[in-house]
Amino acid sequence: AQKITQTQPGMFVQEKEAVTLDCTYDTSDPSYGLFWYKQPSSGEMIFLIYQGSYDQQNATEGRYSLNFQKARKSANLVISASQLGDSAMYFCAMREGGETGGGADGLTFGKGTHLIIQP
Amino acid sequence: ETGVTQSPTHLIKTRGQQVTLRCSSQSGHNTVSWYQQALGQGPQFIFQYYREEENGRGNFPPRFSGLQFPNYSSELNVNALELDDSALYLCASSLGGWTGINEQYFGPGTRLTVT
Repeated sequence: AQKITQTQPGMFVQEKEAVTLDCTYDTSDPSYGLFWYKQPSSGEMIFLIYQGSYDQQNATEGRYSLNFQKARKSANLVISASQLGDSAMYFCAMREGGETGGGADGLTFGKGTHLIIQP
Repeated sequence: ETGVTQSPTHLIKTRGQQVTLRCSSQSGHNTVSWYQQALGQGPQFIFQYYREEENGRGNFPPRFSGLQFPNYSSELNVNALELDDSALYLCASSLGGWTGINEQYFGPGTRLTVT
């Protein structure tokens, strides 16, 4: 079974609208972290937002917020007031880690969603 | 604060050859992770180095090997290149140990083409 599932291969959104990118995850580890990265056509992965499994509140970073529903194992990214510069690939990722380590197994990524913002 | 840098930017190799990719971690970071991203896919974890030792590895064969130096920069070596090794190779640095977020900062990547 895939650990990270992103069901939207591509999305077209009008500028200034809000957009939700879906992500579901699968883990039996009680301690984990969830990340969203943006990858423009240049290739560099840009960190957007992080949610820890024990965090009680949804993470927010400027126009980005993470809708964390632990029971459903979903971690959707919400971008408010989208801009043309938001057009990129978006990846959801998970790091599993316990008391003894900081996630030495690295990040597990989904296949990504290609977001295109239209003027 | 210097970000993560990688060299070279692009590389073309022939099947069966060997290649070395390089990564300089962000200032203050002691952990480097390497990822392979095939076209149209998400990155896949290759391995991670923490204080000069490999401390985690993904599902990659032994011909993928690495090093981390005392200044925390790192190399990824791939022997006996195969056509499927063609990909974007991403390096990410972070502050190791359980400090909570362990946010990984990625470099711009090296695009390897194997012919």
